[in-house]
Amino acid sequence: GENVEQHPSTLSVQEGDSAVIKCTYSDSASNYFPWYKQELGKGPQLIIDIRSNVGEKKDQRIAVTLNKTAKHFSLHITETQPEDSAVYFCAAYDSWGKFQFGAGTQVVVTP
Amino acid sequence: GAVVSQHPSWVICKSGTSVKIECRSLDFQATTMFWYRQFPKQSLMLMATSNEGSKATYEQGVEKDKFLINHASLTLSTLTVTSAHPEDSSFYICSARLGLAGEKDTQYFGPGTRLTVL
Repeated sequence: GENVEQHPSTLSVQEGDSAVIKCTYSDSASNYFPWYKQELGKGPQLIIDIRSNVGEKKDQRIAVTLNKTAKHFSLHITETQPEDSAVYFCAAYDSWGKFQFGAGTQVVVTP
Repeated sequence: GAVVSQHPSWVICKSGTSVKIECRSLDFQATTMFWYRQFPKQSLMLMATSNEGSKATYEQGVEKDKFLINHASLTLSTLTVTSAHPEDSSFYICSARLGLAGEKDTQYFGPGTRLTVL
């Protein structure tokens, strides 16, 4: 089955700097990769996603890149703000029609 | 669009009682809904997949008689934790899949329900 690894587990950045979170997956048949942001006590919120026919997607300060050959994808947040502080999860849509989630990255943006 | 609600947002119950959690897709029809469980500082663990009008498919290790799932309509799925015990205390989150062509993979999550069993 699919296995998703996510790094780092925690990430502390200064406000205004960039943050990068990386995920690898094992199933080459996976073709959909969403990223979710989860604030304390709330449900995950979809922030960006990418499909296997695209190498990069950007939405304002957030971008995701996908390398199918290497089977890894990354989330990039530029010009970080305190409100970006949260736990971020990557996921891969496996061949069984289910999401396999990474372990999560706690991002702390310090003013 | 694509809003999913859950009710209640939190519940405290006594050991041995049953608790029902509702998950609704407010502005779309969801052919498939998922139920997850999340422990503090951990990732989401899929419990079961629920398709409208059919029996839920449970993940390995999840007791189907303990966690009853009903998906009676395209906008409502319920999870009932039967004979709850303190070890069932957790954050339960549902998600709904749009089911539209080109977006059939996208899942939108509810806000979660915090269950505490005393």
